Amino acid sequence: GESVGLHLPTLSVQEGDNSIINCAYSNSASDYFIWYKQESGKGPQFIIDIRSNMDKRQGQRVTVLLNKTVKHLSLQIAATQPGDSAVYFCAEKDNAGNMLTFGGGTRLMVKP
Amino acid sequence: DSGVTQTPKHLITATGQRVTLRCSPRSGDLSVYWYQQSLDQGLQFLIQYYNGEERAKGNILERFSAQQFPDLHSELNLSSLELGDSALYFCASSVVGSPGYGYTFGSGTRLTVV
Repeated sequence: GESVGLHLPTLSVQEGDNSIINCAYSNSASDYFIWYKQESGKGPQFIIDIRSNMDKRQGQRVTVLLNKTVKHLSLQIAATQPGDSAVYFCAEKDNAGNMLTFGGGTRLMVKP
Repeated sequence: DSGVTQTPKHLITATGQRVTLRCSPRSGDLSVYWYQQSLDQGLQFLIQYYNGEERAKGNILERFSAQQFPDLHSELNLSSLELGDSALYFCASSVVGSPGYGYTFGSGTRLTVV
C-alpha cells in the first residue's frame, strides 16, 4: 500500500503542532468529498468526509473545511503525532457518478 | 484489517503475460471498485461492479477486464502486460451503489512486470 515513491509534495511538522493539508478540486459538480490516509504497506484508509451542503465537519483531532467558491478542501490535524505520518489524499465524487476521483496526495512527515 | 481482502499481495511477471488479481469485498458490501496506483498518476479509477453487474468504467485499458461473481468477489484480469503496468492495484468495496461512508480499501496487490 505504500505510495511507490510518488514525487509528492511534503509537509513536515513538529510533533504536537497542528497540520493543514490542502487540496484543490476541479469539478464544480462534485457533491461529496473524502480524505484518506495511506500508510506504508497499507491501502488508503477513510479519515473524514463532507458533503457539499456543509463547509466544515469535525472528527476526532481532524477537521475538514470545504470552500466551494474556490473549490478548495483542507484537512486540519490537531496535535500531530508520529502515527499521523503518511500520505494523505483528497477524493471527490460528482453528483452523477459512482467513482471517486483522487487528488495527487501530500506526504506528511512528523518530526519527534 | 479493513475487511477487504486482496490476493496476491505481490506478483512478479514478465512482459506479455497475463495475471489475475482477486478481491473479496467486506461482508455485506455489494459494490467493488478497482484502482491503479502508479508512480506518476496517483490513484486512478479503473472499473466498478455492483451486485455482479458493471456499473461504471474509468480509465481501464482494453487489455484489462474484470468481473464480479455471484459470491461478490471480483477478479481483475490484466493481459499482454507491459512494463508500464507495474503498479499497485487496489480494490475497494461499499454497501450501496455509489461511494460514501464505508468505501473501504484493501491492502493492494503490487504488480511488477519485468
